[in-house]
Amino acid sequence: GENVEQHPSTLSVQEGDSAVIKCTYSDSASNYFPWYKQELGKRPQLIIDIRSNVGEKKDQRIAVTLNKTAKHFSLHITETQPEDSAVYFCAASSTQGAQKLVFGQGTRLTINP
Amino acid sequence: EADIYQTPRYLVIGTGKKITLECSQTMGHDKMYWYQQDPGMELHLIHYSYGVNSTEKGDLSSESTVSRIRTEHFPLTLESARPSHTSQYLCASSWLGELFFGEGSRLTVL
Repeated sequence: GENVEQHPSTLSVQEGDSAVIKCTYSDSASNYFPWYKQELGKRPQLIIDIRSNVGEKKDQRIAVTLNKTAKHFSLHITETQPEDSAVYFCAASSTQGAQKLVFGQGTRLTINP
Repeated sequence: EADIYQTPRYLVIGTGKKITLECSQTMGHDKMYWYQQDPGMELHLIHYSYGVNSTEKGDLSSESTVSRIRTEHFPLTLESARPSHTSQYLCASSWLGELFFGEGSRLTVL
């Protein structure tokens, strides 16, 4: 089955700087790669996703890149703000078959003022 | 308002008790899931369902059971709770791959 590895487990950046979180996946059949943000005490919420037919997607200050050959995908947050502090989870699934979403281990991002 | 609802939000019980965590969604989604998560930690899939009368075990072994008699309802039951079951349980439904999570049920077994 699918296995998703996420790094780093914790990340601390200065407000205004950029943050990058990286994930690798194992199943070449995976074609859907979402990122979820979970603030303290809240439920995880989708912030951006990418499908395998594109290499990059951007939404304001966040962007996701995908390298299908290397089975890597990354989340990029620019001009970080205090409200970006949260735990971020990457995930991967195939839209065929069981369609189970497999999550990475999570990255705790702290934005320092 | 279309959402996914979980009750109870918090539960403290003694060892050996039977508990049911309720999950209901008003979005008409066929696919529903239960995840177990210690605060801020990895999300582990313990059960999923692709529709009425369909249930499967997830990647993390769990002593809980689930049922799916109605599309909107996906309850999780622990027949005999133990301290090792202390955790947060998140219910979710999905549409076109996107997961919509409930607010979670935080279970403490003494």
